[in-house]
Amino acid sequence: NAGVTQTPKFRILKIGQSMTLQCTQDMNHNYMYWYRQDPGMGLKLIYYSVGAGITDKGEVPNGYNVSRSTTEDFPLRLELAAPSQTSVYFCASSYGAGIQPQHFGDGTRLSIL
Amino acid sequence: GQQVMQIPQYQHVQEGEDFTTYCNSSTTLSNIQWYKQRPGGHPVFLIQLVKSGEVKKQKRLTFQFGEAKKNSSLHITATQTTDVGTYFCAGQTGFQKLVFGTGTRLLVSP
Repeated sequence: NAGVTQTPKFRILKIGQSMTLQCTQDMNHNYMYWYRQDPGMGLKLIYYSVGAGITDKGEVPNGYNVSRSTTEDFPLRLELAAPSQTSVYFCASSYGAGIQPQHFGDGTRLSIL
Repeated sequence: GQQVMQIPQYQHVQEGEDFTTYCNSSTTLSNIQWYKQRPGGHPVFLIQLVKSGEVKKQKRLTFQFGEAKKNSSLHITATQTTDVGTYFCAGQTGFQKLVFGTGTRLLVSP
């Protein structure tokens, strides 16, 4: 059982470049989330989705975009990468909201230089 | 907006000592979850608490949800080196999304 799979695991970008972080889950979960975690800090919600075709902003959405065309996939797009976006990005999924536990992927470690 | 704070930010204990982390919310919570993140790893769900005053145990770990549902604690008895990591609480208000706490990093020396 793969769970939540994120690719790539590591990436170095130059300022101004764009990239897409991939996230897929095989648990048929409706809810999916993108978080960022800066060194020594907690998790901040970037975007989330309650089902295919439905997305909404979290706490720190600026500089990012998402789409949810299928239940399984929830890619995160960085446009015009900036040094402030250097972070570890985690994708998570859950069967429902709140009371359901979130299952996390292994993360993507992204550096913007 | 809703804020969830944890104290302490960091604690270093000797193996065998007890450890407690406290989680405090600015608003009343409908439920709270606890996660553990090993160094270099991803958060892993430990448990969820729903009822006021609820206490749950998992081996050496004891989780409590406050009577007012605004605070929670995690207590580890007789820590082991395998307990090393950062412990996060995450609270939900009504049907809102989970808000993760600031985390407590635990270091255990043998």
